[in-house]
Amino acid sequence: DTGVSQDPRHKITKRGQNVTFRCDPISEHNRLYWYRQTLGQGPEFLTYFQNEAQLEKSRLLSDRFSAERPKGSFSTLEIQRTEQGDSAMYLCASSFSLAGGTWEQYFGPGTRLTVT
Amino acid sequence: AQSVSQHNHHVILSEAASLELGCNYSYGGTVNLFWYVQYPGQHLQLLLKYFSGDPLVKGIKGFEAEFIKSKFSFNLRKPSVQWSDTAEYFCAALTGGGNKLTFGTGTQLKVEL
Repeated sequence: DTGVSQDPRHKITKRGQNVTFRCDPISEHNRLYWYRQTLGQGPEFLTYFQNEAQLEKSRLLSDRFSAERPKGSFSTLEIQRTEQGDSAMYLCASSFSLAGGTWEQYFGPGTRLTVT
Repeated sequence: AQSVSQHNHHVILSEAASLELGCNYSYGGTVNLFWYVQYPGQHLQLLLKYFSGDPLVKGIKGFEAEFIKSKFSFNLRKPSVQWSDTAEYFCAALTGGGNKLTFGTGTQLKVEL
C-alpha cells in the first residue's frame, strides 16, 4: 500500500502527558497537512508543510502543539501537556503542488487520541 | 472567513432511491471543490473534484456533482443508491490560496435494503 500512513492508530494518554504522532505521506508528494476531527464535525485544518518548511498554522494550533517535517518526508505532530479537549482524530494528508497547479489531498487513516 | 455548509446531517434512503446531498460554500474567489466519502472504519477517500471547466463532474461509483457558481453550491447526486453507499460524505473547498481544505460538517447516509 503506497498511501498515507499514520502511527499509532490509537493513543490513550493521561491528562498532562506528552504525545507524538507520525505521518508518512505518499512518497512523491511535497505537501503535507495535519487536520483534526472531532465527533460530528468535519476535519479542521491545523498546519501544512511544503517540503520541510511549515508555511501556515491555524489558530487552533496552540503553543502546546508543534509539528515538524525535518527532511521533507515524514512529519511528526507533538502535543505537550495534553488536555481532555485534545481528544480527537488527528488526520494527515499529502498532495503534490507545483507553481500554478493544485492537486487533491490524500488522507491517512488518522490517529485517534483519547485523553483521560 | 470561508465556510462550507452541508444542510443534511442524516439521510436515510432505501436502495435504488435517488440521492442529492446539498453543499454550499461562502467564498467569492476562485474555489476548488471536493466531495470526500468515509466508509465505516475506513479513511477519507476522494469521490470527485471540481477545479474548472465543465460544471458537471463525474466521480467514482456513479456519483456526480454540479457546480453552480450563482448559487455557491456543489450538490452531490447519485441516481440509484446501493446499500454499500452507506457512509459519511463531506463537502470541502480548497481555500487560502490552495493551501488548505475547509470541510462541511458531513452528512451521514444510511441506505436500507
